[in-house]
Amino acid sequence: DGGITQSPKYLFRKEGQNVTLSCEQNLNHDAMYWYRQDPGQGLRLIYYSQIVNDFQKGDIAEGYSVSREKKESFPLTVTSAQKNPTAFYLCASSIGEVAGNQPQHFGDGTRLSIL
Amino acid sequence: DAKTTQPTSMDCAEGRAANLPCNHSTISGNEYVYWYRQIHSQGPQYIIHGLKNNETNEMASLIITEDRKSSTLILPHATLRDTAVYYCIVRVSDSWGKLQFGAGTQVVVTP
Repeated sequence: DGGITQSPKYLFRKEGQNVTLSCEQNLNHDAMYWYRQDPGQGLRLIYYSQIVNDFQKGDIAEGYSVSREKKESFPLTVTSAQKNPTAFYLCASSIGEVAGNQPQHFGDGTRLSIL
Repeated sequence: DAKTTQPTSMDCAEGRAANLPCNHSTISGNEYVYWYRQIHSQGPQYIIHGLKNNETNEMASLIITEDRKSSTLILPHATLRDTAVYYCIVRVSDSWGKLQFGAGTQVVVTP
């Protein structure tokens, strides 16, 4: 089945550690996105990528980094510079034409907690 | 992107149609109306979107008023699995990047 796979589902991090969240899609989508969701709040955009080897900062990119070396993969690294990393992280993808008329499809998320 | 206004919550009886309203009075001519839902601890699920014509798919129907200032998402036969937070979003047709999720409507389907 085509879809977006995020792993792991739950992740624990010690203070000062970097962690990488995986996002893989087999939908042949060009565009991929990372969002963060805090309890009771809407989604906030961290980074997005329109095409391989290119990505742009979203609204809350500080303390995060990404790479887009392959079309199907868009990993997110939460660095030690991110002061409040505990959140629900969501990856999405879309076909990638001028995006207003193309829905984004989401994975099931990774819940990151600080030990 | 234009802002949307939705009721905080609503209940629906299983088997009945659920009609979810959304106001977007400042919508521009090139903005689409999108609906997503999020079941607890899962990622948002795309439901449907439209520009000015009514739309229907296997999940739902979207009715957009002629002036485009409001819309209604219709779940024709609600089931318990439709219990979720439903988000109405408007989005510029030539935009890249974020979907702006508001607070949404918590829909509870009861037996």
